[in-house]
Amino acid sequence: DQQVKQNSPSLSVQEGRISILNCDYTNSMFDYFLWYKKYPAEGPTFLISISSIKDKNEDGRFTVFLNKSAKHLSLHIVPSQPGDSAVYFCAATPNSGYALNFGKGTSLLVTP
Amino acid sequence: ETGVTQTPRHLVMGMTNKKSLKCEQHLGHNAMYWYKQSAKKPLELMFVYSLEERVENNSVPSRFSPECPNSSHLFLHLHTLQPEDSALYLCASSQGVTVTGELFFGEGSRLTVL
Repeated sequence: DQQVKQNSPSLSVQEGRISILNCDYTNSMFDYFLWYKKYPAEGPTFLISISSIKDKNEDGRFTVFLNKSAKHLSLHIVPSQPGDSAVYFCAATPNSGYALNFGKGTSLLVTP
Repeated sequence: ETGVTQTPRHLVMGMTNKKSLKCEQHLGHNAMYWYKQSAKKPLELMFVYSLEERVENNSVPSRFSPECPNSSHLFLHLHTLQPEDSALYLCASSQGVTVTGELFFGEGSRLTVL
């Protein structure tokens, strides 16, 4: 049973606008959440993370929001750039363990 | 150049073949992982090695056999695979097995089983 869900397989956003990628999880034991970005023919690369003791973490154009009561997190990219076009994976882990649970990914396309 | 290198990048094999995937990390990490990414499925953790000892085996069929001779190298030995084993196999490394730090992935080995 999938514990991390990314229900939007794809998203298209215009350059300069905000991209919002969503992720839902079912396991209340998850306490650390990460976003990875993957370009074609490359491995995923770490983007940003958030601990369950926070509700927001910001790094430049990327902000992750965590709503524990709703078991929902989102990644905001502002402003979006064509180079942000990639597949974004949400991942979660319980008790800072190593067993990362990944979502299926959302393919983001940023158009000029 | 990525800090985690996987070879071969592409592999086609028959069901009776024996082949191996290789992973090498140049980051000084002490934990290494094998993940499987099948079409339209999330990345699935297969094996975890910490300090060359296997610490996780996620109910992976025995036709997949990992080997970690040292903290920089990880192999995945393949034998009598099935067509449904066709997937992208990703190696990753980290400093320690906790993931408050991130995993560093290789570019993956695309496996096709005929």
